[in-house]
Amino acid sequence: SQELEQSPQSLIVQEGKNLTINCTSSKTLYGLYWYKQKYGEGLIFLMMLQKGGEEKSHEKITAKLDEKKQQSSLHITASQPSHAGIYLCGADWAGTASKLTFGTGTRLQVTL
Amino acid sequence: GAGVSQSPRYKVAKRGQDVALRCDPISGHVSLFWYQQALGQGPEFLTYFQNEAQLDKSGLPSDRFFAERPEGSVSTLKIQRTQQEDSAVYLCASQSTEGVIRNQPQHFGDGTRLSIL
Repeated sequence: SQELEQSPQSLIVQEGKNLTINCTSSKTLYGLYWYKQKYGEGLIFLMMLQKGGEEKSHEKITAKLDEKKQQSSLHITASQPSHAGIYLCGADWAGTASKLTFGTGTRLQVTL
Repeated sequence: GAGVSQSPRYKVAKRGQDVALRCDPISGHVSLFWYQQALGQGPEFLTYFQNEAQLDKSGLPSDRFFAERPEGSVSTLKIQRTQQEDSAVYLCASQSTEGVIRNQPQHFGDGTRLSIL
């Protein structure tokens, strides 16, 4: 959806480097979900951010929600080959946690 | 099983044939969702059930698409008279009872990859 834009579309980083992926919404976000997808597989839930400028961390991944900008960022510290995959953000625009609208994804490759 | 299970994993059909895709949600999950994912794109919402009730079917692309969940557990997505543009990965997700109240995430299956020849 162009109403939910992810950047960059793809990213190649060297192992050990940090990286940031952004997700920008044209509508008010009631919830923002980050998922990871490997080719041929389903989506793996990473983190959920709710309205209010939240920040969450899990292992080396940190996600933030900027309520003013209606934007979320996903930051990976000291990237590893296991971080490779497609990162998708999903927006809840209705506040019902049901129908999610996804971005087109950011493809991350981590080189040795 | 522990996760959402979808079958078949791969389905090849000729244009004009009918297909049925199955989703077994996580046991006890009240909400069930179907998404369509075209190559290189993010998933797009198709429809949503809460128990056996289909609460939102706004994403179904045409009347050739039909979904049901008669007993509030297993769901089937049926596509009639398939066309080449129906080729995609069809993802199913389920959400716990507290999903809406406490904003619990949707848990996805591995999808069914549908190819229409």
